[in-house]
Amino acid sequence: GAVVSQHPSRVICKSGTSVKIECRSLDFQATTMFWYRQFPKQSLMLMATSNEGSKATYEQGVEKDKFLINHASLTLSTLTVTSAHPEDSSFYICSAQTRASNEAFFGQGTRLTVV
Amino acid sequence: AQKVTQAQTEISVVEKEDVTLDCVYETRDTTYYLFWYKQPPSGELVFLIRRNSFDEQNEISGRYSWNFQKSTSSFNFTITASQVVDSAVYFCALSRYVAGNKLTFGGGTRVLVKP
Repeated sequence: GAVVSQHPSRVICKSGTSVKIECRSLDFQATTMFWYRQFPKQSLMLMATSNEGSKATYEQGVEKDKFLINHASLTLSTLTVTSAHPEDSSFYICSAQTRASNEAFFGQGTRLTVV
Repeated sequence: AQKVTQAQTEISVVEKEDVTLDCVYETRDTTYYLFWYKQPPSGELVFLIRRNSFDEQNEISGRYSWNFQKSTSSFNFTITASQVVDSAVYFCALSRYVAGNKLTFGGGTRVLVKP
């Protein structure tokens, strides 16, 4: 299957700082990328959908000014958590899909801890 | 709106026992995809199966088997002769048939296999 690389796998940051998470499709072009968030012992909830070259579509309740998503190329999407607070501590995971397929290829996930 | 329900939050079995995970879904679409993923303690999502709604044949892959019943909107997953390495959280998910569409996840079932 296709490979999606997500970096970093773990990050600890101070409250008030910003953190950038990268999601790269290594061997295919991802026209659509999705960002999910998973709180401890809970399910994955979609945060936003990004299509290459256009603005991301955010799910209801997700602050677009806080979670900045950039999908500038067909192989890279980034999620920046701005002014992070302890309640943003969570597991963030991306998935990438091609235009032709409904198979979702997931990154390894990023565990964010805000102290 | 789409919805996936995994009624069992946690199942504990002894090694070599069989375990069946239930998944019930709701969708207004006539065509759709169903998925199962495994999430070990490390956090990454491991793809297990994708099934489109046209194909109601049951599937077996090694110790894993899936029972798709469109009439009852269920897509159950059985692990035969469970092993300790099967301990993980298992998610059932649903997506529309449109290419590049998001996944709606169930709440997940935590499986604990004791030696």
